[in-house]
Amino acid sequence: DAGVIQSPRHEVTEMGQEVTLRCKPISGHNSLFWYRQTMMRGLELLIYFNNNVPIDDSGMPEDRFSAKMPNASFSTLKIQPSEPRDSAVYFCASSLTPSNPQFFGPGTRLTVL
Amino acid sequence: AQSVSQHNHHVILSEAASLELGCNYSYGGTVNLFWYVQYPGQHLQLLLKYFSGDPLVKGIKGFEAEFIKSKFSFNLRKPSVQWSDTAEYFCAVMEGTYKYIFGTGTRLKVLA
Repeated sequence: DAGVIQSPRHEVTEMGQEVTLRCKPISGHNSLFWYRQTMMRGLELLIYFNNNVPIDDSGMPEDRFSAKMPNASFSTLKIQPSEPRDSAVYFCASSLTPSNPQFFGPGTRLTVL
Repeated sequence: AQSVSQHNHHVILSEAASLELGCNYSYGGTVNLFWYVQYPGQHLQLLLKYFSGDPLVKGIKGFEAEFIKSKFSFNLRKPSVQWSDTAEYFCAVMEGTYKYIFGTGTRLKVLA
């Protein structure tokens, strides 16, 4: 199995630019999660999709963040405009069902200058 | 809301030493508990999980954890660590039916 695939692995951008992070969950998994990892706040859940539908977006920091899941094999997390405080590692995870263990992707390390 | 405490932020051990990493969660009831490991530069990998049944859970790479309901704890153990166990370890509890609450992590460094 390929596992959860994320791209890009590293992204460096300038403040104000749009950033799009991509995720391909494990085939057959119906739950997808986006997390952010920072030194200060640790791992935080940003948004959770079930069967491509956003169920819980209470962790999305502000309107600059948006996420979509147009089909079962693809999701995006977009930041527009980006700010230096968005610098973090963003993980995507998927699980077979919501209550099954989550499998994490390799993450995208985002640096906003 | 549920919270998870990992009291040891940094642990340094020599190879062959025994390991115990603490994890406490804030309230009881039915809980699903997890330990994940993050090797340097890599993604989180599931070490072990507890949903129900035997409170002593065995995971991969020789790790085990014990669920003690009365202490709200789920400590991770390994009898003899190796240099390759150098990593960051995260305890997590599932809140509700899908939301993981992660601890702040424990960085383990094993000296060869």
